Amino acid sequence: AQSVTQPDIHITVSEGASLELRCNYSYGATPYLFWYVQSPGQGLQLLLKYFSGDTLVQGIKGFEAEFKRSQSSFNLRKPSVHWSDAAEYFCAVGGSQGNLIFGKGTKLSVKP
Amino acid sequence: EAGVAQSPRYKIIEKRQSVAFWCNPISGHATLYWYQQILGQGPKLLIQFQNNGVVDDSQLPKDRFSAERLKGVDSTLKIQPAKLEDSAVYLCASSLGLAGPETQYFGPGTRLLVL
Repeated sequence: AQSVTQPDIHITVSEGASLELRCNYSYGATPYLFWYVQSPGQGLQLLLKYFSGDTLVQGIKGFEAEFKRSQSSFNLRKPSVHWSDAAEYFCAVGGSQGNLIFGKGTKLSVKP
Repeated sequence: EAGVAQSPRYKIIEKRQSVAFWCNPISGHATLYWYQQILGQGPKLLIQFQNNGVVDDSQLPKDRFSAERLKGVDSTLKIQPAKLEDSAVYLCASSLGLAGPETQYFGPGTRLLVL
């Protein structure tokens, strides 16, 4: 069965520090992978996606993610975190019908 | 371009009452999804429409939940009767509905509290 694991429930980083959020997936075929961000009381906003091609994907707000098939991972990174990045981040894999299967999310807190 | 619209944004009801949520997708988007997001979890698909036909409703609790998209545009999701465990955020999303992988665009959600 398709599934997504985000091992870290909550991460706190200092403003200006680098960030890496982990995501592992289970999917039989070539995965379509997504990272979404959700601010309090808001819907989900797409940060980036991987469908094929270059395994290093650039997204909005300075985020990037790297697809590693051998590790079944799609980790999200940002070199320097801003206070406005505090939010909840969801990794998702595209299902066979086009639906999304989400992980449980990682809540990011940013220390001043 | 207008995004996905949902209403109401918040709803508080008592258990055993009924409630309905409305979603208007992005214009021209053929595929519409309803997701349930329980506190502390990621969204879970309830139902997926392609135009006015159901593609997947395998995780919809059909004894109490129903959804329709009669004209292939906007959609309503209904719960009757509501249970305490239905307290969640209900997210609507839409996509173009083309073959292959697509980006889904989400609305702001409806936050339901069942007392």
